[in-house]
Formats: sequence, structure tokens, C-alpha cells
Amino acid sequence: DVKVTQSSRYLVKRTGEKVFLECVQDMDHENMFWYRQDPGLGLRLIYFSYDVKMKEKGDIPEGYSVSREKKERFSLILESASTNQTSMYLCASTYPAGRTGNTIYFGEGSWLTVV
Amino acid sequence: DQQVKQNSPSLSVQEGRISILNCDYTNSMFDYFLWYKKYPAEGPTFLISISSIKDKNEDGRFTVFLNKSAKHLSLHIVPSQPGDSAVYFCAASVGGSNYKLTFGKGTLLTVNP
Repeated sequence: DVKVTQSSRYLVKRTGEKVFLECVQDMDHENMFWYRQDPGLGLRLIYFSYDVKMKEKGDIPEGYSVSREKKERFSLILESASTNQTSMYLCASTYPAGRTGNTIYFGEGSWLTVV
Repeated sequence: DQQVKQNSPSLSVQEGRISILNCDYTNSMFDYFLWYKKYPAEGPTFLISISSIKDKNEDGRFTVFLNKSAKHLSLHIVPSQPGDSAVYFCAASVGGSNYKLTFGKGTLLTVNP
């Protein structure tokens, strides 16, 4: 089974803190994604990466950065956490386009509360 | 501008009946569509998908229909079961199933025993 693991399920951080959310996948997937989910807004793409050290902005990258130093690991960084970043964060991974029978797999999510 | 729309925030059906969840999209470049199911405090799990070259895909109790001219897709669940109660997200992508997804806001399905 594909495993996408988000290291922290529940975090509480203070405004202005630097926050790291870690994601590891065990399927040798090239593509990795960070989404956030908010009530009434669905899932919105923050950043994605299609290879080590490669990244592209998604729809809502402001206030976030990412790091992909190894293929299996994709980190989301909040440089200075703010209360409007309180949300559920979801990591996902998949193979590149062109492989048949493939889909995007999600981790269980990280609930971040910024106080 | 919302490119994938799920206009019904919630839907309630009786066990054994059909559940129909709807999704509309505006971007004609979308060529792959997926449905994900999500329980509270868990990540979304893949349910079923359809390529734009097809108009129907079936997997057990789940069938997805795609109407490209209307830019509309729907998910049918027959028969509905209480365990199907969850939030269902419609998603679309350009360039096949592996590129970044654009999600709708979700529909909360409640199946009553």
C-alpha cells in the first residue's frame, strides 16, 4: 500500500513562530503536493514539486515556502505563522503524468492551530 | 474564479437509495476528473476517476458520468450505505491524472439508516 506520512497530526503554534510540516512518501513518487483544507473552501493547492529541489507555486503560496531535498520528503514551512494559517494541511504524492492506473495519494492531514 | 464547483454543500439520502453528487467545471482544458471521499480528521481517499475521452466509468457501487458539452460530471452511488456518509470532493486536472488537482468545495453526504 502507498504510504504518505505526515509527521505531526496536531500542532499548536504561536503567532510569529516558524513552523515546519513534514511529509514522507514511500512509493518513489516524483510529484508531491501541499494543500490546505478549510470549511467551505475545499482543498487549495499551496505548492507542488515534480522533482528534488524543484518547486512551483500553487494557488495560495503567500506566507509559505517548501523544501524538497530528498525525493521522498517534502516539507512545508510557515516562516512566520499567523492566525489565518490555522487550517488542516494535506500532503499528497503521485507519479508524473503518463503512467497509467495511477492516482494521487493523500496523507492523513496535519491540524495546525496558530494562537 | 472557481473552476470546479459543487453547488450542493450537503445531501441527505436514505440507505439503499441512490445518491447523486454533482460537479460543474469552467476550464475546458481539464481532461481528467476524480472523486475523493473524506472522513473527518482523515486525508481524502481516491474513489473513482474518468478521462475526458470517456463519458462513463463504473466501479462497483460507484459510477461517474461526464458530460463534456455541459461541463458537468456526477457521481452516482447505488445503493447508498451509512458508511458512505462523508464529504465528497470533485477534482479536475490538466495533463492527465498526475498533475496538480483543482478541487471543488465538497458535498457532505449523509446516508440515513
